[in-house]
Amino acid sequence: EAGVTQSPTHLIKTRGQQATLRCSPISGHTSVYWYQQALGLGLQFLLWYDEGEERNRGNFPPRFSGRQFPNYSSELNVNALELEDSALYLCASSLFRNEKLFFGSGTQLSVL
Amino acid sequence: DQQVKQNSPSLSVQEGRISILNCDYTNSMFDYFLWYKKYPAEGPTFLISISSIKDKNEDGRFTVFLNKSAKHLSLHIVPSQPGDSAVYFCAASVDSGNTPLVFGKGTRLSVIA
Repeated sequence: EAGVTQSPTHLIKTRGQQATLRCSPISGHTSVYWYQQALGLGLQFLLWYDEGEERNRGNFPPRFSGRQFPNYSSELNVNALELEDSALYLCASSLFRNEKLFFGSGTQLSVL
Repeated sequence: DQQVKQNSPSLSVQEGRISILNCDYTNSMFDYFLWYKKYPAEGPTFLISISSIKDKNEDGRFTVFLNKSAKHLSLHIVPSQPGDSAVYFCAASVDSGNTPLVFGKGTRLSVIA
């Protein structure tokens, strides 16, 4: 069974640009979560989607947004990129809300 | 306000000895706790969990202890192996709520052969 897949693996952007990160959950999982891991910090919760709806969002500015598609895959968009957005972005999925999360390998975003 | 705290950024242990990783939390509503292990360039992988109705859960070499009154949990690895070298994250959630897992900053464990 395929795990959570994320693309791209690495992404390099410049300040002010937009970044789009993609995530495919484990087959059958309806909940998708996005976390940011900046250098030296833990995993900071960004967004949670369940059955196509945004269920919760973390303490991040509105330029961080996303959506979940009918096939439960998800997209994270970061607009007006800033240097401090450089981080590893991790996507996770779960079968039911708040159950054990299964993580992808992440997208390393570098903002120059 | 950090609700889940791992106060030791790093820990070194000799192979064969016990590794003890600690985690404290501040939110008394948390009732489900998990430990994740993360290798470089990989996503975190689930290790072990414990519900607040229990004070101990064991899975092979890994045991998690929960002290609700102290709002403290710990992960014991016995015996420690070089392959256990990784970053360990403690996480907590309110099982019936809409709040997703809250993670600590992690502890980097190095098991020395």
